Amino acid sequence: AQTVTQSQPEMSVQEAETVTLSCTYDTSENNYYLFWYKQPPSRQMILVIRQEAYKQQNATENRFSVNFQKAAKSFSLKISDSQLGDTAMYFCAFVGGATNKLIFGTGTLLAVQP
Amino acid sequence: DTGVSQDPRHKITKRGQNVTFRCDPISEHNRLYWYRQTLGQGPEFLTYFQNEAQLEKSRLLSDRFSAERPKGSFSTLEIQRTEQGDSAMYLCASSLTSSGNTIYFGEGSWLTVV
Repeated sequence: AQTVTQSQPEMSVQEAETVTLSCTYDTSENNYYLFWYKQPPSRQMILVIRQEAYKQQNATENRFSVNFQKAAKSFSLKISDSQLGDTAMYFCAFVGGATNKLIFGTGTLLAVQP
Repeated sequence: DTGVSQDPRHKITKRGQNVTFRCDPISEHNRLYWYRQTLGQGPEFLTYFQNEAQLEKSRLLSDRFSAERPKGSFSTLEIQRTEQGDSAMYLCASSLTSSGNTIYFGEGSWLTVV
């Protein structure tokens, strides 16, 4: 069975600084997708970034980038130039294999301090 | 593209009553998902549809829960004989066909059972 682990329940970063959120996963599949979702206090889940496992190049979206290490089954999220609006719960998620359901980690609560 | 919409956004009900939530997916999306999320936790998969067919159900979906998507468009999630443990956010999401396509979430329906 696939699992997603986020080992940092809470993190804090100063505005304009860089922070990295960790995620590891376990799967026997070779073809899968990984996502980072953001859930602000308003609670709508918003896609931040996605990575296809067959692509070696790390995905980037403006200030957000990932470090995808397939052999290590690691998928960390780097947020550069942190902004107050980045304060949210961040979830790492996996989808792949025969199932089409997203499997989520337990989340990391990120607080951006002014 | 109006996004995934859910109704009602909030529902307070007495234990033992039935409740029904509605989800309207993004118009061209053929897959629709239901998740449950409790405070401080990641979303847990409940069930998903491809068009009108319900293809997978979690063991979390007890006999008191039923989901339908009669015409392959909107979906309903009904909880019969609600219990206090059913209090949670019920999230709906939709996507296009393949498992690699991004899953978009609605704002959720928050249920409180008193």
